[in-house]
Amino acid sequence: EIVMTQSPATLSVSPGERATLSCRASQSVSSNLAWYQQKPGQAPRLLIYGASTRATGIPARFSGSGSGTEFTLTISSLQSEDFAVYSCQQYNNWPPWTFGQGTKVEIK
Amino acid sequence: EVQLVESGGGLVQPGGSLRLSCAASGFTFSSYSMNWVRQAPGEGLEWVSYIGSSSSTIYYSDSVKGRFTISRDNAKNSLYLQMNSLRAEDTAVYYCARSSGNSYYYNAMDVWGQGTTVTVSS
Repeated sequence: EIVMTQSPATLSVSPGERATLSCRASQSVSSNLAWYQQKPGQAPRLLIYGASTRATGIPARFSGSGSGTEFTLTISSLQSEDFAVYSCQQYNNWPPWTFGQGTKVEIK
Repeated sequence: EVQLVESGGGLVQPGGSLRLSCAASGFTFSSYSMNWVRQAPGEGLEWVSYIGSSSSTIYYSDSVKGRFTISRDNAKNSLYLQMNSLRAEDTAVYYCARSSGNSYYYNAMDVWGQGTTVTVSS
């Protein structure tokens, strides 16, 4: 089973600033990596797939990079609606599909 | 509008059973593989089960294997999860999620339902 590790657990950022979130896989997942956003009481929403492709309707301020075992989600200029929990997921070696534990982006 | 709506959650005693349903609309349900994913209180997301578009391929996580059964009815655009021998550690919000179908083999989960809450407690 591939273990996904996200850092940091919590990221405090001021509106308008850049946020950089990391995700590491215990073995290579190629570019088969997705990022999800989840707000309290809501379902996860797909942001990024293929490590760097934005899903339909996702603003350009969200970008993903990386391949193999190291991945990054960058939010270029945080808006109020971006404060949420972000989770990465690998879909290269399955089953099981595995998720990171999440990074909470909070208002500084 | 593409939509998934779960139902069937509730409070059940340890050892009990529950059947979750997920109603799909706005897309050709029979063309997509589907998943159940759960989230325990304060925890991250955990994949539970997968079913291929024609039900010929099914997988379970080790934590539910032998206790949970996934199924689908393409004529009714519905996905199900039969949960037996429930344990306290099965307490979670259960989401149904669509495999995107962008690739034959490698797919993120691109559509999610709002979730249904299962609480296992005496």
